[in-house]
Amino acid sequence: GQQLNQSPQSMFIQEGEDVSMNCTSSSIFNTWLWYKQEPGEGPVLLIALYKAGELTSNGRLTAQFGITRKDSFLNISASIPSDVGIYFCAGQLSYGNKLVFGAGTILRVKS
Amino acid sequence: DSGVTQTPKHLITATGQRVTLRCSPRSGDLSVYWYQQSLDQGLQFLIQYYNGEERAKGNILERFSAQQFPDLHSELNLSSLELGDSALYFCASSVDGGTFYEQYFGPGTRLTVT
Repeated sequence: GQQLNQSPQSMFIQEGEDVSMNCTSSSIFNTWLWYKQEPGEGPVLLIALYKAGELTSNGRLTAQFGITRKDSFLNISASIPSDVGIYFCAGQLSYGNKLVFGAGTILRVKS
Repeated sequence: DSGVTQTPKHLITATGQRVTLRCSPRSGDLSVYWYQQSLDQGLQFLIQYYNGEERAKGNILERFSAQQFPDLHSELNLSSLELGDSALYFCASSVDGGTFYEQYFGPGTRLTVT
């Protein structure tokens, strides 16, 4: 089945640093989503992307829908301790298809 | 708070038993999705219901079943439980039945099978 390759698997960064993570696939997706999950909680939708090349921000978070439609990127600027969690990308191939999730990027922040 | 509620929050049971997990979607959402999250498998889609009818099936075992009721709440039934069924089970909801995007997740039910 379709797979999303999410990287890096984990990051341990200094507070104030910028963070970048990405998801790639061999398949073309028509929708990309980014979620954050904190311990003991369900994933929370951060950003949704619907068009190739689209760049969308949510506070310090910026995500892009890759021009090839096979990848997406999430950047977090000036990280803070509450950014800690697992970040998941998810993609939908086309209308009516299920979401496919990446394995997640674990983010830890040193203050 | 996503607006999706799940009960119970924790469940501990023995192998061979049967349990029922409950989910209430956000107000106005017609679609309910069930996911299983385990350490080694990540987030796996199990099944989707839209307005009372099954819409899509993922990696759901035959021992598992679900339904969505007229008031749109949903239940996931897990039977003949095995140790490997221990996981977090999430319900998500969305307005639309086909786009799957903008799913909002509940807090999850942690199932421990001993």
